[in-house]
Amino acid sequence: AQSVTQLDSQVPVFEEAPVELRCNYSSSVSVYLFWYVQYPNQGLQLLLKYLSGSTLVKGINGFEAEFNKSQTSFHLRKPSVHISDTAEYFCAVRSGNTPLVFGKGTRLSVIA
Amino acid sequence: DTAVSQTPKYLVTQMGNDKSIKCEQNLGHDTMYWYKQDSKKFLKIMFSYNNKELIINETVPNRFSPKSPDKAHLNLHINSLELGDSAVYFCASSLYIAGAKETQYFGPGTRLLVL
Repeated sequence: AQSVTQLDSQVPVFEEAPVELRCNYSSSVSVYLFWYVQYPNQGLQLLLKYLSGSTLVKGINGFEAEFNKSQTSFHLRKPSVHISDTAEYFCAVRSGNTPLVFGKGTRLSVIA
Repeated sequence: DTAVSQTPKYLVTQMGNDKSIKCEQNLGHDTMYWYKQDSKKFLKIMFSYNNKELIINETVPNRFSPKSPDKAHLNLHINSLELGDSAVYFCASSLYIAGAKETQYFGPGTRLLVL
């Protein structure tokens, strides 16, 4: 069975500072990896996804993530955050016909 | 244009009542989903339909019954509501279920509070 671990439930960071949100997954087969963002009182929106090829994936709003197969990680990064990045971030994994499995989310709070 | 829409946005009701949540997508997708997000923000799939057929049913109580009148709609009916049903319910859609690569598009959510 697949699972996703987001190690940090909350990450406070000052505006314009860099941020990394950590995600580790477990799966016995090849996987596809996703990061979704949920702004307050809204639905989830795809930030980026890794399917194959280059391990560095660029997404919307200046976010990027790196797939590391040996460490089974897919950490999300942004070099300089804005107040508007304050949201809940979810890492998710899927393979074959299995349902999308989400991590428990990381609350990013950007401080002015 | 709203891609995935849900109604109502908020739902407050008493224990024991029966309620329905509606979902519609105008993306031409084949597959639709219902997710439950609990108070700790944990998001878990409940059901998945592909072209009006049930594909995934993840250990959800029988009180929850999804219905798909056509592939653009997936409604969720809940009987005998319980306090533990209070959560945010999200509808989502994707191009086809066999495509694990496909992005799922989420609706804005329905916030259900059972008193």
